[in-house]
Amino acid sequence: DGGITQSPKYLFRKEGQNVTLSCEQNLNHDAMYWYRQDPGQGLRLIYYSQIVNDFQKGDIAEGYSVSREKKESFPLTVTSAQKNPTAFYLCASSIDSVGEKLFFGSGTQLSVL
Amino acid sequence: QKEVEQDPGPLSVPEGAIVSLNCTYSNSAFQYFMWYRQYSRKGPELLMYTYSSGNKEDGRFTAQVDKSSKYISLFIRDSQPSDSATYLCAMKKNNFNKFYFGSGTKLNVKP
Repeated sequence: DGGITQSPKYLFRKEGQNVTLSCEQNLNHDAMYWYRQDPGQGLRLIYYSQIVNDFQKGDIAEGYSVSREKKESFPLTVTSAQKNPTAFYLCASSIDSVGEKLFFGSGTQLSVL
Repeated sequence: QKEVEQDPGPLSVPEGAIVSLNCTYSNSAFQYFMWYRQYSRKGPELLMYTYSSGNKEDGRFTAQVDKSSKYISLFIRDSQPSDSATYLCAMKKNNFNKFYFGSGTKLNVKP
């Protein structure tokens, strides 16, 4: 089955630590996205990538970094510079940079110890 | 002002009721409109997708878009307890890669 796989499902971060969230898709989609979801708030865009080796900052990129070395993979690193990292993180993809439909992974809950 | 507004609820209805969920938006350039269903601590699942104005029906779900009023709706007929979830609206301009989301409406269907 085609889809988007996020891992781990739950992640804990210690003070001063960087952590990396994994996102893999086998939909052959060009565009991939990372969103942050906080209770009672809509989805906020962190980073997006339209093609391999290219990515752009979204609305809340500070304290986060990404890479896009392979079409299938778009990992997100939450750095120690992100002072309020506790949130539900969602990876998504669309067929291309102007695709009309967005498909989501199952999410990663990140919490601070 | 947010570009997409959605009442957060919660909305509580008895099983079998007709549910109406709504979003308003401010940008007339939006052409693509989506509804997602999200169960607690899961990823959003695409329910309905509409281009421009009009209605679209899929089983118990009907999506309506009124571009003149900048208003979209999702109707759920014969609601079931399994419909209990948060419903997110989303929209997009043509040839742009940014999606705009409402904050979600939490629906509870009581048996």
